[in-house]
Amino acid sequence: GENVEQHPSTLSVQEGDSAVIKCTYSDSASNYFPWYKQELGKRPQLIIDIRSNVGEKKDQRIAVTLNKTAKHFSLHITETQPEDSAVYFCAASPFKTGANNLFFGTGTRLTVIP
Amino acid sequence: NAGVTQTPKFRILKIGQSMTLQCAQDMNHNYMYWYRQDPGMGLKLIYYSVGAGITDKGEVPNGYNVSRSTTEDFPLRLELAAPSQTSVYFCASSYSQGSVSPQHFGDGTRLSIL
Repeated sequence: GENVEQHPSTLSVQEGDSAVIKCTYSDSASNYFPWYKQELGKRPQLIIDIRSNVGEKKDQRIAVTLNKTAKHFSLHITETQPEDSAVYFCAASPFKTGANNLFFGTGTRLTVIP
Repeated sequence: NAGVTQTPKFRILKIGQSMTLQCAQDMNHNYMYWYRQDPGMGLKLIYYSVGAGITDKGEVPNGYNVSRSTTEDFPLRLELAAPSQTSVYFCASSYSQGSVSPQHFGDGTRLSIL
């Protein structure tokens, strides 16, 4: 099955700086890559996603890039704010299963220092 | 719309007991999923369903059973609870007609087996 690796496991940045989280995947059939933000004790919330026919997608301060050849994708958060502090998960989905099952990375705990 | 509703929110079980975690969605989504999240880890897929009457195993199905008699409901059954099943359980749903779509998560059920 698909194997998703995520780095770093923890990340601390000063408010206003940028944060980058990187993920790699193993299954070349994966074609959907969402990113979830999870606050303590809360549900995962989708913040951005990208499909394999697109190399980059941006939504205000958040952007995701995808390199299909190298099988890696990254989350970029600019102008970080304290409310960005949370655990971020990447995931990959090989839609060949017919149910877009998600395979998750192990998460990155982001701390934004005011 | 309530989205994805999970009950109960918390539960403590004794080893060997059984219980059913409930999940309901009111978005008319055809796909539903059960994940577990162990402390400090990403989510792992237990079972999924692509429609009423159709279920299939995910990455970690042992010790669990599911059924899908209606589009709205997707209960997860734990038989003979074991300490290794202590986890947070998330139900999710999505709508797909041949292409991948975002998954929406419930608030989770925190389960402890003692």
